[in-house]
Amino acid sequence: DGGITQSPKYLFRKEGQNVTLSCEQNLNHDAMYWYRQDPGQGLRLIYYSQIVNDFQKGDIAEGYSVSREKKESFPLTVTSAQKNPTAFYLCASSEASRLTDTQYFGPGTRLTVL
Amino acid sequence: AQSVAQPEDQVNVAEGNPLTVKCTYSVSGNPYLFWYVQYPNRGLQFLLKYITGDNLVKGSYGFEAEFNKSQTSFHLKKPSALVSDSALYFCAVRRETSGSARQLTFGSGTQLTVLP
Repeated sequence: DGGITQSPKYLFRKEGQNVTLSCEQNLNHDAMYWYRQDPGQGLRLIYYSQIVNDFQKGDIAEGYSVSREKKESFPLTVTSAQKNPTAFYLCASSEASRLTDTQYFGPGTRLTVL
Repeated sequence: AQSVAQPEDQVNVAEGNPLTVKCTYSVSGNPYLFWYVQYPNRGLQFLLKYITGDNLVKGSYGFEAEFNKSQTSFHLKKPSALVSDSALYFCAVRRETSGSARQLTFGSGTQLTVLP
């Protein structure tokens, strides 16, 4: 899992609540990503950020929000607008250079809606 | 648009036998391909990637992958499987987008089980 940490490992949310998932990296990477993983569907991109104070929607951004105030941090908020938030959430980072932009992943956060 | 397919949801192999996990891709430009492994309730670990050059790419833990342009395939292989190789394996292809943050499109994953 390298130099990427995610917290908490497990998170439980009640209906109508917003929750924030933490992602921190000490790899000095410019780019950071959030993915959602559901059984049998692989990974789907929620949001990504190429640089501080900039981020872009991925394939399934509805019901999620992010911020990128620091290079090391890319928190994800799962809002009450996300109708089916129960999933495994993975954060990743990369150097974002042309050829060496391997993405490295954190250990994940499992979110369950009660 | 680019895509990647992993045609087998499940692969079973006996310990000590060679293993192959299949991946095919579709891109209009040069393919940049990746393999990751995921153990239960863990993040993805990078195994290897193909950018350019030799068609046989060597990676971590004794894994290698063979890039075949004519068959648009990038199969993951290991000469002798270990029980500890049992995990979920993902193939991914870099998306054809502009900008420095290159997004990836992932396959649906293949569960590898190595039987003792």
